[in-house]
Amino acid sequence: NAGVTQTPKFRVLKTGQSMTLLCAQDMNHEYMYWYRQDPGMGLRLIHYSVGEGTTAKGEVPDGYNVSRLKKQNFLLGLESAAPSQTSVYFCASSSSVTGQHNEQFFGPGTRLTVL
Amino acid sequence: AQKITQTQPGMFVQEKEAVTLDCTYDTSDPSYGLFWYKQPSSGEMIFLIYQGSYDQQNATEGRYSLNFQKARKSANLVISASQLGDSAMYFCAMREPFRYGGATNKLIFGTGTLLAVQP
Repeated sequence: NAGVTQTPKFRVLKTGQSMTLLCAQDMNHEYMYWYRQDPGMGLRLIHYSVGEGTTAKGEVPDGYNVSRLKKQNFLLGLESAAPSQTSVYFCASSSSVTGQHNEQFFGPGTRLTVL
Repeated sequence: AQKITQTQPGMFVQEKEAVTLDCTYDTSDPSYGLFWYKQPSSGEMIFLIYQGSYDQQNATEGRYSLNFQKARKSANLVISASQLGDSAMYFCAMREPFRYGGATNKLIFGTGTLLAVQP
Protein backbone atom coordinates (compact mmCIF):
# COMPACT_ATOMS: atom_id res chain seq x y z
CA ASN A 1 0.00 0.00 0.00
CA ALA A 2 1.26 3.45 -0.93
CA GLY A 3 -0.85 5.13 1.77
CA VAL A 4 -1.33 8.81 0.97
CA THR A 5 0.51 10.25 -2.01
CA GLN A 6 0.76 13.84 -3.18
CA THR A 7 1.82 15.34 -6.48
CA PRO A 8 3.80 17.39 -7.14
CA LYS A 9 6.42 17.42 -4.38
CA PHE A 10 7.72 20.88 -5.25
CA ARG A 11 6.34 23.74 -7.31
CA VAL A 12 7.24 27.35 -7.98
CA LEU A 13 4.51 29.65 -9.25
CA LYS A 14 4.34 33.27 -10.25
CA THR A 15 1.72 35.49 -8.68
CA GLY A 16 -1.58 35.05 -10.45
CA GLN A 17 -0.88 31.59 -11.84
CA SER A 18 -3.12 28.67 -11.05
CA MET A 19 -2.35 25.09 -10.10
CA THR A 20 -3.89 21.94 -8.72
CA LEU A 21 -2.42 19.71 -6.05
CA LEU A 22 -3.45 16.08 -6.23
CA CYS A 23 -3.87 13.80 -3.25
CA ALA A 24 -4.58 10.10 -3.53
CA GLN A 25 -5.13 7.46 -0.85
CA ASP A 26 -5.46 3.70 -1.20
CA MET A 27 -6.82 2.91 2.27
CA ASN A 28 -10.49 3.30 1.35
CA HIS A 29 -10.83 6.16 3.83
CA GLU A 30 -13.98 8.24 3.85
CA TYR A 31 -12.41 11.39 5.25
CA MET A 32 -9.76 13.52 3.59
CA TYR A 33 -8.13 16.82 4.52
CA TRP A 34 -5.88 19.54 3.19
CA TYR A 35 -3.60 21.46 5.56
CA ARG A 36 -0.99 24.13 5.18
CA GLN A 37 2.04 24.36 7.42
CA ASP A 38 3.80 27.63 8.03
CA PRO A 39 6.72 28.28 10.42
CA GLY A 40 5.59 28.74 14.00
CA MET A 41 1.93 28.09 13.21
CA GLY A 42 1.54 24.34 13.17
CA LEU A 43 -0.86 22.79 10.67
CA ARG A 44 -4.00 24.65 9.72
CA LEU A 45 -6.95 23.03 8.01
CA ILE A 46 -7.85 24.47 4.60
CA HIS A 47 -10.69 22.24 3.44
CA TYR A 48 -11.89 18.77 4.20
CA SER A 49 -14.21 16.10 2.85
CA VAL A 50 -16.29 13.49 4.64
CA GLY A 51 -17.13 11.56 1.52
CA GLU A 52 -17.15 11.44 -2.25
CA GLY A 53 -18.85 14.49 -3.67
CA THR A 54 -18.81 16.48 -0.41
CA THR A 55 -16.41 19.18 0.74
CA ALA A 56 -16.37 21.75 3.52
CA LYS A 57 -14.32 24.74 4.60
CA GLY A 58 -11.72 24.54 7.31
CA GLU A 59 -9.93 27.24 9.24
CA VAL A 60 -8.17 28.98 6.32
CA PRO A 61 -10.16 28.33 3.10
CA ASP A 62 -9.78 31.69 1.33
CA GLY A 63 -8.00 31.48 -2.01
CA TYR A 64 -8.42 27.70 -2.31
CA ASN A 65 -10.98 25.37 -3.82
CA VAL A 66 -11.28 21.61 -3.57
CA SER A 67 -13.03 18.74 -5.25
CA ARG A 68 -13.62 15.11 -4.34
CA LEU A 69 -15.04 13.45 -7.41
CA LYS A 70 -13.65 10.04 -6.49
CA LYS A 71 -13.36 8.58 -3.00
CA GLN A 72 -9.63 8.03 -3.32
CA ASN A 73 -8.74 11.50 -4.64
CA PHE A 74 -8.89 14.97 -3.14
CA LEU A 75 -7.78 17.92 -5.25
CA LEU A 76 -6.71 21.33 -3.96
CA GLY A 77 -6.80 24.22 -6.40
CA LEU A 78 -5.28 27.66 -6.31
CA GLU A 79 -7.02 29.81 -8.91
CA SER A 80 -4.78 32.89 -8.62
CA ALA A 81 -1.73 32.24 -6.51
CA ALA A 82 -0.47 34.87 -4.08
CA PRO A 83 2.86 35.08 -2.21
CA SER A 84 0.92 34.51 1.04
CA GLN A 85 0.15 31.01 -0.23
CA THR A 86 3.82 30.05 -0.10
CA SER A 87 3.72 27.11 2.29
CA VAL A 88 4.03 23.37 2.69
CA TYR A 89 0.75 21.63 1.92
CA PHE A 90 -0.20 18.32 3.46
CA CYS A 91 -2.99 16.02 2.52
CA ALA A 92 -4.32 13.50 5.04
CA SER A 93 -6.98 10.84 5.26
CA SER A 94 -8.70 8.93 8.03
CA SER A 95 -11.17 6.17 8.58
CA SER A 96 -14.69 6.90 9.73
CA VAL A 97 -15.21 3.69 11.69
CA THR A 98 -16.63 4.48 15.12
CA GLY A 99 -14.82 3.20 18.17
CA GLN A 100 -11.41 3.42 16.54
CA HIS A 101 -8.63 5.94 17.09
CA ASN A 102 -9.05 7.05 13.49
CA GLU A 103 -5.74 8.81 13.36
CA GLN A 104 -5.04 10.80 10.26
CA PHE A 105 -2.51 9.44 7.78
CA PHE A 106 -0.49 12.12 6.04
CA GLY A 107 1.05 12.44 2.62
CA PRO A 108 4.68 13.55 2.18
CA GLY A 109 3.78 17.18 1.55
CA THR A 110 4.09 19.64 -1.32
CA ARG A 111 6.41 22.61 -0.99
CA LEU A 112 4.91 25.54 -2.91
CA THR A 113 6.64 28.84 -3.51
CA VAL A 114 4.76 31.77 -5.04
CA LEU A 115 6.98 34.53 -6.39
CA ALA B 1 -13.37 27.38 21.06
CA GLN B 2 -11.12 24.36 20.99
CA LYS B 3 -7.42 25.11 21.39
CA ILE B 4 -4.13 23.27 21.78
CA THR B 5 -1.16 24.98 23.44
CA GLN B 6 2.44 23.84 23.28
CA THR B 7 4.51 26.29 25.27
CA GLN B 8 7.97 24.86 24.53
CA PRO B 9 9.20 26.03 21.13
CA GLY B 10 12.39 24.00 21.56
CA MET B 11 13.85 21.41 23.91
CA PHE B 12 17.22 19.75 24.37
CA VAL B 13 17.76 16.31 25.89
CA GLN B 14 20.79 14.10 26.31
CA GLU B 15 20.76 10.76 24.57
CA LYS B 16 19.33 7.96 26.75
CA GLU B 17 17.53 10.38 29.06
CA ALA B 18 13.78 10.85 29.29
CA VAL B 19 12.06 14.01 28.10
CA THR B 20 8.57 15.44 28.57
CA LEU B 21 6.91 17.58 25.92
CA ASP B 22 4.06 19.69 27.24
CA CYS B 23 0.60 20.00 25.76
CA THR B 24 -2.48 21.66 27.22
CA TYR B 25 -5.88 21.76 25.62
CA ASP B 26 -9.05 23.72 26.00
CA THR B 27 -12.46 22.22 25.44
CA SER B 28 -15.75 22.17 27.28
CA ASP B 29 -16.83 18.91 25.66
CA PRO B 30 -16.46 15.74 27.76
CA SER B 31 -15.66 13.58 24.72
CA TYR B 32 -12.46 14.24 22.80
CA GLY B 33 -9.33 12.57 21.52
CA LEU B 34 -5.73 13.67 21.76
CA PHE B 35 -2.96 12.76 19.35
CA TRP B 36 0.78 13.25 19.12
CA TYR B 37 2.60 13.36 15.79
CA LYS B 38 6.30 13.46 15.00
CA GLN B 39 7.72 15.41 12.07
CA PRO B 40 11.38 14.66 11.36
CA SER B 41 13.48 16.94 9.21
CA SER B 42 12.43 14.94 6.16
CA GLY B 43 8.98 16.45 6.60
CA GLU B 44 6.56 13.55 6.91
CA MET B 45 3.99 13.45 9.71
CA ILE B 46 4.16 10.27 11.78
CA PHE B 47 1.40 9.29 14.22
CA LEU B 48 2.81 8.34 17.63
CA ILE B 49 0.10 7.90 20.25
CA TYR B 50 -3.57 8.48 21.03
CA GLN B 51 -5.47 9.19 24.24
CA GLY B 52 -9.25 9.20 24.47
CA SER B 53 -10.90 11.36 27.08
CA TYR B 54 -12.69 8.35 28.58
CA ASP B 55 -9.68 6.04 28.56
CA GLN B 56 -9.03 4.77 32.07
CA GLN B 57 -5.29 4.39 31.63
CA ASN B 58 -2.60 6.59 30.17
CA ALA B 59 -1.67 5.53 26.67
CA THR B 60 1.68 3.90 25.98
CA GLU B 61 3.37 2.90 22.72
CA GLY B 62 6.87 1.55 23.12
CA ARG B 63 9.10 4.36 24.38
CA TYR B 64 6.24 6.85 24.14
CA SER B 65 3.76 7.42 26.91
CA LEU B 66 1.16 10.03 27.51
CA ASN B 67 0.85 11.71 30.89
CA PHE B 68 -2.87 12.50 30.74
CA GLN B 69 -4.16 14.76 33.50
CA LYS B 70 -7.77 15.44 32.69
CA ALA B 71 -8.47 17.91 35.50
CA ARG B 72 -5.51 20.02 34.42
CA LYS B 73 -6.35 19.54 30.73
CA SER B 74 -2.86 18.41 29.92
CA ALA B 75 -1.61 15.57 27.73
CA ASN B 76 2.16 15.61 27.94
CA LEU B 77 4.23 13.25 25.80
CA VAL B 78 7.00 11.39 27.59
CA ILE B 79 9.80 9.87 25.54
CA SER B 80 11.93 7.47 27.51
CA ALA B 81 15.55 6.63 26.69
CA SER B 82 15.91 9.30 24.00
CA GLN B 83 17.67 8.37 20.79
CA LEU B 84 19.32 10.57 18.19
CA GLY B 85 16.52 9.63 15.81
CA ASP B 86 14.00 11.24 18.14
CA SER B 87 15.24 14.68 17.06
CA ALA B 88 12.21 16.15 15.32
CA MET B 89 9.27 18.50 15.64
CA TYR B 90 6.45 17.11 17.79
CA PHE B 91 2.85 18.19 17.43
CA CYS B 92 0.00 17.71 19.85
CA ALA B 93 -3.48 17.68 18.30
CA MET B 94 -7.06 17.36 19.48
CA ARG B 95 -9.91 15.86 17.52
CA GLU B 96 -12.75 18.32 17.25
CA PRO B 97 -15.59 17.10 19.47
CA PHE B 98 -18.52 15.57 17.69
CA ARG B 99 -21.04 18.19 18.69
CA TYR B 100 -19.09 21.00 17.04
CA GLY B 101 -19.00 19.55 13.57
CA GLY B 102 -20.24 16.03 13.53
CA ALA B 103 -18.05 13.00 13.02
CA THR B 104 -15.37 14.55 10.84
CA ASN B 105 -12.18 13.57 12.69
CA LYS B 106 -10.94 17.14 12.17
CA LEU B 107 -7.79 17.90 14.13
CA ILE B 108 -6.71 21.10 15.83
CA PHE B 109 -2.93 21.29 16.05
CA GLY B 110 -0.59 23.02 18.44
CA THR B 111 2.37 24.98 17.17
CA GLY B 112 4.83 22.20 17.93
CA THR B 113 7.98 21.60 19.97
CA LEU B 114 11.33 21.09 18.28
CA LEU B 115 13.27 18.42 20.15
CA ALA B 116 17.02 18.06 19.75
CA VAL B 117 18.68 14.96 21.18
CA GLN B 118 22.32 15.50 21.97
CA PRO B 119 24.90 12.66 21.99
